[in-house]
Amino acid sequence: DAGVIQSPRHEVTEMGQEVTLRCKPISGHDYLFWYRQTMMRGLELLIYFNNNVPIDDSGMPEDRFSAKMPNASFSTLKIQPSEPRDSAVYFCASSPPDRGWTEAFFGQGTRLTVV
Amino acid sequence: SQQGEEDPQALSIQEGENATMNCSYKTSINNLQWYRQNSGRGLVHLILIRSNEREKHSGRLRVTLDTSKKSSSLLITASRAADTASYFCATAMKTSYDKVIFGPGTSLSVIP
Repeated sequence: DAGVIQSPRHEVTEMGQEVTLRCKPISGHDYLFWYRQTMMRGLELLIYFNNNVPIDDSGMPEDRFSAKMPNASFSTLKIQPSEPRDSAVYFCASSPPDRGWTEAFFGQGTRLTVV
Repeated sequence: SQQGEEDPQALSIQEGENATMNCSYKTSINNLQWYRQNSGRGLVHLILIRSNEREKHSGRLRVTLDTSKKSSSLLITASRAADTASYFCATAMKTSYDKVIFGPGTSLSVIP
């Protein structure tokens, strides 16, 4: 398996623009997590899905952020409108059934820069 | 505030030496995990220790857990330059629905 695949790897956008980050989890995994990593705040859990259903979105910073998982092989994290403080590395991770809280497989991340 | 806090924030050692990193947490946990992150890459799972375990080994890694002190340590023996990375502890908390919280990490530099 190719692992968790995220796209794009790098994104530079202007403030106010819409940004969409994409994630393809490992086949067969039924947990999907979105994390954000910054120097100031470290690694923060934004939202997680189980069997395509959002379970906990309490980490989503504000209404400008939304996440979807239309099927087991695809998820998106959207920021609209984007702001400079959203600049961070965004990671997607997935876990196999019954191991959602024992081991997460991370993608390479998307480095987002909002100017 | 963070559930897990690593100590030290940064560590620099010579190749061949042992590296010890500590993690403290605040609330009851189901398990504690350690991850490694190489510069510019995603995190890689290293080892998991459950709340009813006290010590686990995996290759050159040794993890201990003291639930009475709410702390864990990661020991890397006979370090190599390739071990240079950031190391994070992640705690799976006992809540109504599970959640994993990552600490701020320890940056390890192994000098050849």
